[in-house]
Amino acid sequence: AQTVTQSQPEMSVQEAETVTLSCTYDTSESNYYLFWYKQPPSRQMILVIRQEAYKQQNATENRFSVNFQKAAKSFSLKISDSQLGDTAMYFCAFMSGFFYNQGGKLIFGQGTELSVKP
Amino acid sequence: DAGITQSPRHKVTETGTPVTLRCHQTENHRYMYWYRQDPGHGLRLIHYSYGVKDTDKGEVSDGYSVSRSKTEDFLLTLESATSSQTSVYFCAIGQNNEKLFFGSGTQLSVL
Repeated sequence: AQTVTQSQPEMSVQEAETVTLSCTYDTSESNYYLFWYKQPPSRQMILVIRQEAYKQQNATENRFSVNFQKAAKSFSLKISDSQLGDTAMYFCAFMSGFFYNQGGKLIFGQGTELSVKP
Repeated sequence: DAGITQSPRHKVTETGTPVTLRCHQTENHRYMYWYRQDPGHGLRLIHYSYGVKDTDKGEVSDGYSVSRSKTEDFLLTLESATSSQTSVYFCAIGQNNEKLFFGSGTQLSVL
Protein backbone atom coordinates (compact mmCIF):
# COMPACT_ATOMS: atom_id res chain seq x y z
CA ALA A 1 0.00 0.00 0.00
CA GLN A 2 1.14 3.52 -0.69
CA THR A 3 2.02 5.82 2.18
CA VAL A 4 2.87 9.51 2.43
CA THR A 5 4.90 10.95 5.28
CA GLN A 6 5.37 14.55 6.32
CA SER A 7 7.84 14.64 9.16
CA GLN A 8 7.51 18.33 10.05
CA PRO A 9 4.27 18.93 12.00
CA GLU A 10 4.97 22.67 12.33
CA MET A 11 7.25 25.19 10.68
CA SER A 12 7.64 28.92 10.77
CA VAL A 13 9.31 31.41 8.47
CA GLN A 14 9.82 35.14 8.36
CA GLU A 15 7.97 37.09 5.74
CA ALA A 16 9.90 37.36 2.44
CA GLU A 17 12.14 34.41 3.27
CA THR A 18 12.19 30.95 1.69
CA VAL A 19 10.93 27.80 3.35
CA THR A 20 10.96 24.15 2.29
CA LEU A 21 8.40 21.57 3.40
CA SER A 22 9.38 17.92 3.22
CA CYS A 23 7.41 14.93 1.99
CA THR A 24 8.39 11.34 1.37
CA TYR A 25 6.25 8.60 -0.06
CA ASP A 26 6.35 4.90 -0.65
CA THR A 27 5.02 3.11 -3.71
CA SER A 28 5.96 0.30 -6.04
CA GLU A 29 4.32 2.00 -8.99
CA SER A 30 6.14 3.95 -11.68
CA ASN A 31 3.18 5.97 -12.90
CA TYR A 32 1.62 8.34 -10.35
CA TYR A 33 0.88 11.92 -9.43
CA LEU A 34 2.02 13.97 -6.47
CA PHE A 35 0.32 17.05 -5.09
CA TRP A 36 0.67 19.80 -2.54
CA TYR A 37 -2.56 21.17 -1.10
CA LYS A 38 -2.94 24.28 1.02
CA GLN A 39 -5.60 24.52 3.72
CA PRO A 40 -5.96 28.02 5.19
CA PRO A 41 -8.06 28.67 8.30
CA SER A 42 -11.13 28.84 6.04
CA ARG A 43 -10.73 25.05 5.73
CA GLN A 44 -10.84 25.18 1.93
CA MET A 45 -8.57 22.66 0.19
CA ILE A 46 -6.57 24.53 -2.46
CA LEU A 47 -4.34 22.77 -4.97
CA VAL A 48 -0.94 24.45 -4.92
CA ILE A 49 1.08 22.36 -7.34
CA ARG A 50 1.03 19.02 -9.12
CA GLN A 51 3.82 16.76 -10.38
CA GLU A 52 3.51 13.88 -12.82
CA ALA A 53 5.98 11.13 -11.99
CA TYR A 54 7.02 10.49 -15.57
CA LYS A 55 8.10 14.12 -15.97
CA GLN A 56 11.64 14.74 -14.76
CA GLN A 57 11.27 18.49 -14.76
CA ASN A 58 10.23 19.93 -11.41
CA ALA A 59 6.88 21.69 -11.41
CA THR A 60 6.68 25.39 -10.60
CA GLU A 61 3.76 27.72 -9.96
CA ASN A 62 4.83 31.30 -9.35
CA ARG A 63 6.49 31.36 -5.89
CA PHE A 64 5.92 27.64 -5.37
CA SER A 65 8.23 24.97 -6.71
CA VAL A 66 8.95 21.35 -5.95
CA ASN A 67 12.05 19.24 -5.72
CA PHE A 68 10.98 15.86 -7.04
CA GLN A 69 13.47 13.07 -6.42
CA LYS A 70 11.86 9.95 -7.85
CA ALA A 71 14.55 7.48 -6.86
CA ALA A 72 14.58 8.78 -3.30
CA LYS A 73 10.75 9.03 -3.27
CA SER A 74 10.95 12.58 -2.04
CA PHE A 75 8.71 15.50 -3.00
CA SER A 76 9.49 18.74 -1.17
CA LEU A 77 7.74 22.08 -1.60
CA LYS A 78 9.70 25.32 -1.69
CA ILE A 79 7.91 28.59 -1.04
CA SER A 80 9.90 31.63 -2.05
CA ASP A 81 9.29 35.18 -0.85
CA SER A 82 6.89 33.93 1.83
CA GLN A 83 3.80 36.03 2.40
CA LEU A 84 1.46 36.29 5.37
CA GLY A 85 -1.25 34.70 3.24
CA ASP A 86 0.84 31.56 2.94
CA THR A 87 0.05 30.77 6.57
CA ALA A 88 -1.85 27.49 6.36
CA MET A 89 -1.72 23.74 6.75
CA TYR A 90 0.02 22.10 3.82
CA PHE A 91 -0.69 18.54 2.76
CA CYS A 92 1.36 16.35 0.47
CA ALA A 93 -0.71 13.77 -1.42
CA PHE A 94 -0.25 10.81 -3.76
CA MET A 95 -2.50 9.42 -6.48
CA SER A 96 -1.91 6.26 -8.46
CA GLY A 97 -1.62 6.76 -12.20
CA PHE A 98 -3.72 3.67 -12.68
CA PHE A 99 -6.83 5.76 -12.23
CA TYR A 100 -9.42 3.29 -13.34
CA ASN A 101 -8.10 0.56 -11.07
CA GLN A 102 -7.58 2.84 -8.09
CA GLY A 103 -10.57 5.14 -8.51
CA GLY A 104 -8.58 8.37 -8.36
CA LYS A 105 -8.05 8.10 -4.63
CA LEU A 106 -5.77 10.58 -2.95
CA ILE A 107 -3.51 9.44 -0.12
CA PHE A 108 -2.50 12.29 2.17
CA GLY A 109 0.37 12.95 4.48
CA GLN A 110 -0.17 14.14 8.03
CA GLY A 111 0.22 17.80 7.18
CA THR A 112 2.64 20.61 8.05
CA GLU A 113 1.34 23.72 9.79
CA LEU A 114 3.21 26.69 8.33
CA SER A 115 3.24 30.07 10.05
CA VAL A 116 4.58 33.10 8.23
CA LYS A 117 5.67 35.78 10.70
CA PRO A 118 5.84 39.50 9.91
CA ASP B 1 -14.87 26.95 -8.35
CA ALA B 2 -16.33 23.50 -8.85
CA GLY B 3 -19.99 23.20 -7.93
CA ILE B 4 -19.81 21.10 -4.82
CA THR B 5 -21.85 21.71 -1.69
CA GLN B 6 -21.68 19.97 1.66
CA SER B 7 -24.44 20.14 4.22
CA PRO B 8 -24.62 20.82 7.04
CA ARG B 9 -21.49 22.91 7.57
CA HIS B 10 -21.55 22.27 11.30
CA LYS B 11 -23.35 19.67 13.39
CA VAL B 12 -23.38 18.72 17.04
CA THR B 13 -24.96 15.43 17.99
CA GLU B 14 -25.06 12.94 20.82
CA THR B 15 -23.44 9.52 21.03
CA GLY B 16 -25.66 6.80 19.63
CA THR B 17 -27.70 8.99 17.28
CA PRO B 18 -27.73 8.51 13.52
CA VAL B 19 -26.20 11.26 11.39
CA THR B 20 -26.27 11.83 7.64
CA LEU B 21 -24.00 14.20 5.80
CA ARG B 22 -24.78 15.25 2.28
CA CYS B 23 -22.56 16.08 -0.66
CA HIS B 24 -24.15 17.62 -3.73
CA GLN B 25 -22.40 18.37 -7.01
CA THR B 26 -23.48 20.17 -10.16
CA GLU B 27 -20.50 19.09 -12.28
CA ASN B 28 -21.80 15.69 -13.36
CA HIS B 29 -18.52 14.12 -12.21
CA ARG B 30 -18.37 10.35 -12.04
CA TYR B 31 -16.29 9.96 -8.89
CA MET B 32 -17.22 11.14 -5.41
CA TYR B 33 -15.28 10.68 -2.18
CA TRP B 34 -15.72 11.11 1.54
CA TYR B 35 -12.65 11.92 3.64
CA ARG B 36 -12.25 12.69 7.31
CA GLN B 37 -9.57 15.05 8.65
CA ASP B 38 -8.01 14.57 12.06
CA PRO B 39 -4.94 16.18 13.61
CA GLY B 40 -1.82 14.12 12.99
CA HIS B 41 -3.53 11.99 10.35
CA GLY B 42 -4.19 14.33 7.47
CA LEU B 43 -7.19 13.34 5.37
CA ARG B 44 -8.18 9.71 5.24
CA LEU B 45 -10.57 8.12 2.76
CA ILE B 46 -13.79 6.71 4.23
CA HIS B 47 -15.74 5.61 1.14
CA TYR B 48 -15.86 6.50 -2.49
CA SER B 49 -18.22 6.08 -5.43
CA TYR B 50 -17.44 5.46 -9.08
CA GLY B 51 -21.01 5.71 -10.31
CA VAL B 52 -24.65 5.58 -9.29
CA LYS B 53 -25.07 2.76 -6.78
CA ASP B 54 -21.39 1.85 -7.17
CA THR B 55 -19.42 2.40 -3.99
CA ASP B 56 -16.36 0.98 -2.30
CA LYS B 57 -14.64 1.18 1.05
CA GLY B 58 -11.69 3.34 1.86
CA GLU B 59 -9.08 3.21 4.58
CA VAL B 60 -11.35 4.06 7.55
CA SER B 61 -14.81 2.77 6.61
CA ASP B 62 -15.82 1.07 9.88
CA GLY B 63 -18.90 2.73 11.38
CA TYR B 64 -19.83 4.50 8.13
CA SER B 65 -22.10 3.72 5.22
CA VAL B 66 -22.74 5.59 1.99
CA SER B 67 -25.33 5.78 -0.73
CA ARG B 68 -25.43 7.26 -4.17
CA SER B 69 -28.83 7.04 -5.82
CA LYS B 70 -28.20 9.97 -8.17
CA THR B 71 -25.07 11.23 -9.89
CA GLU B 72 -25.18 14.51 -8.01
CA ASP B 73 -25.66 13.27 -4.45
CA PHE B 74 -23.39 11.22 -2.21
CA LEU B 75 -24.59 10.62 1.34
CA LEU B 76 -22.45 9.59 4.30
CA THR B 77 -24.26 7.99 7.22
CA LEU B 78 -23.07 7.30 10.73
CA GLU B 79 -25.60 4.73 11.93
CA SER B 80 -24.77 5.27 15.60
CA ALA B 81 -22.36 8.13 16.14
CA THR B 82 -19.44 7.73 18.54
CA SER B 83 -17.07 10.31 20.01
CA SER B 84 -14.25 8.90 17.84
CA GLN B 85 -16.19 10.10 14.80
CA THR B 86 -15.83 13.72 15.86
CA SER B 87 -13.96 15.12 12.88
CA VAL B 88 -14.07 17.37 9.86
CA TYR B 89 -15.57 15.58 6.89
CA PHE B 90 -14.72 16.51 3.33
CA CYS B 91 -16.41 15.50 0.13
CA ALA B 92 -14.48 15.53 -3.12
CA ILE B 93 -15.43 14.96 -6.74
CA GLY B 94 -13.43 13.89 -9.77
CA GLN B 95 -13.75 12.93 -13.38
CA ASN B 96 -11.53 10.59 -15.39
CA ASN B 97 -8.32 12.42 -14.54
CA GLU B 98 -6.21 13.41 -11.57
CA LYS B 99 -8.03 16.64 -10.75
CA LEU B 100 -10.10 16.43 -7.61
CA PHE B 101 -12.26 19.22 -6.22
CA PHE B 102 -13.13 19.53 -2.55
CA GLY B 103 -16.14 20.81 -0.70
CA SER B 104 -15.78 23.21 2.20
CA GLY B 105 -16.13 20.51 4.84
CA THR B 106 -18.51 19.60 7.65
CA GLN B 107 -17.42 19.94 11.27
CA LEU B 108 -19.10 17.13 13.21
CA SER B 109 -18.97 16.99 17.00
CA VAL B 110 -20.27 13.89 18.79
CA LEU B 111 -20.80 14.52 22.49
